[in-house]
Amino acid sequence: GNSVTQMEGPVTLSEEAFLTINCTYTATGYPSLFWYVQYPGEGLQLLLKATKADDKGSNKGFEATYRKETTSFHLEKGSVQVSDSAVYFCALLLSQGGSEKLVFGKGTKLTVNP
Amino acid sequence: DADVTQTPRNRITKTGKRIMLECSQTKGHDRMYWYRQDPGLGLRLIYYSFDVKDINKGEISDGYSVSRQAQAKFSLSLESAIPNQTALYFCATSDFPGYEAFFGQGTRLTVV
Repeated sequence: GNSVTQMEGPVTLSEEAFLTINCTYTATGYPSLFWYVQYPGEGLQLLLKATKADDKGSNKGFEATYRKETTSFHLEKGSVQVSDSAVYFCALLLSQGGSEKLVFGKGTKLTVNP
Repeated sequence: DADVTQTPRNRITKTGKRIMLECSQTKGHDRMYWYRQDPGLGLRLIYYSFDVKDINKGEISDGYSVSRQAQAKFSLSLESAIPNQTALYFCATSDFPGYEAFFGQGTRLTVV
């Protein structure tokens, strides 16, 4: 079946550290890939996306590249800030039989300390 | 105003009670979803609807029902609440072909 596996947290970093959150997927077909972020007390919001192999999504200093050969979509940021503290979800969207559904990973909680 | 509004934001109910969670959106999207979030399990899809006449079960629909009253409104019901339905519930909407999903702020439901 279609699934997303992301690194377990929690992840704790100091401000200005480099961030990587690993995400790999299993899918039949060619999914679109997403990173969503959930700030404390809020719903999820789209951080970035990539719709085909080798695409790079970027937003707010975060980047992720769609790697078909390794079925991965790892999230990176060169210098994290305290305000980046949140839960990050990797997700895939696959169209099957006229239906499209988002499948989420379990989420990775990031805490950035000053 | 928020694009996706969920009511109530918090609710405590007793086992066996019927409860309805409501969702309304101002995005004008046809597609609406209900997800459940549990610690360590991520988000799991309960039900989804691609238009007013289309309702589909997600991966964990048992014990839940939904109603799509209008394009902008999609409600989730627990007919007889049980403690393991204690969770954070999210409504979302999306458009084709962008597929970006817009989420409400969530309803924290506790069943005692």
